[in-house]
Amino acid sequence: KAGVTQTPRYLIKTRGQQVTLSCSPISGHRSVSWYQQTPGQGLQFLFEYFSETQRNKGNFPGRFSGRQFSNSRSEMNVSTLELGDSALYLCASSFNSGDGYEQYFGPGTRLTVT
Amino acid sequence: AQKVTQAQTEISVVEKEDVTLDCVYETRDTTYYLFWYKQPPSGELVFLIRRNSFDEQNEISGRYSWNFQKSTSSFNFTITASQVVDSAVYFCATAQGGSEKLVFGKGTKLTVNP
Repeated sequence: KAGVTQTPRYLIKTRGQQVTLSCSPISGHRSVSWYQQTPGQGLQFLFEYFSETQRNKGNFPGRFSGRQFSNSRSEMNVSTLELGDSALYLCASSFNSGDGYEQYFGPGTRLTVT
Repeated sequence: AQKVTQAQTEISVVEKEDVTLDCVYETRDTTYYLFWYKQPPSGELVFLIRRNSFDEQNEISGRYSWNFQKSTSSFNFTITASQVVDSAVYFCATAQGGSEKLVFGKGTKLTVNP
């Protein structure tokens, strides 16, 4: 099976702009989660979607939003970009093995805000 | 709230040495999961293992082994006969039972020198 794919892999934006990142989960996985990774804060949970519904949300401002489509693909959007939004954004798709969830991550999108 | 502490920020060893990465977790849940992920320089998080809170059996997979001790809230990871390809940042994480939200430690950067 193909792994989790994320596009684009690299992105450079200017403060104040908005950005949309895309994630395609592993075939058959219906759940997608997003994480932000920065040197200072480490890996932090953004949100999780299952069957087009947001099931869980991390402690991020409303500028961060996401959605999931009927084919399980997900997008996250960051509006009014700030310098501090520069980070690696990781998407994970997961399935429940019957003994809990296993999450598999994509290669990430590295966002630089200038 | 859950918390994961990886006290070792960086470890440097010479090839063929054994190395143990420490992980201490905090949770109030009776059902929870523990994970280890590897992040090579490419950035993708690679799933290594998941353990549920009811299974304290140690696990061995090739050169990798994990020691889960509820009494000390630890889930340590040992690499036997380390190799240069083991160089990466290793993350320990926890999740509540039934949740896909991972709470990560800050990671331990392992460098294996030839």
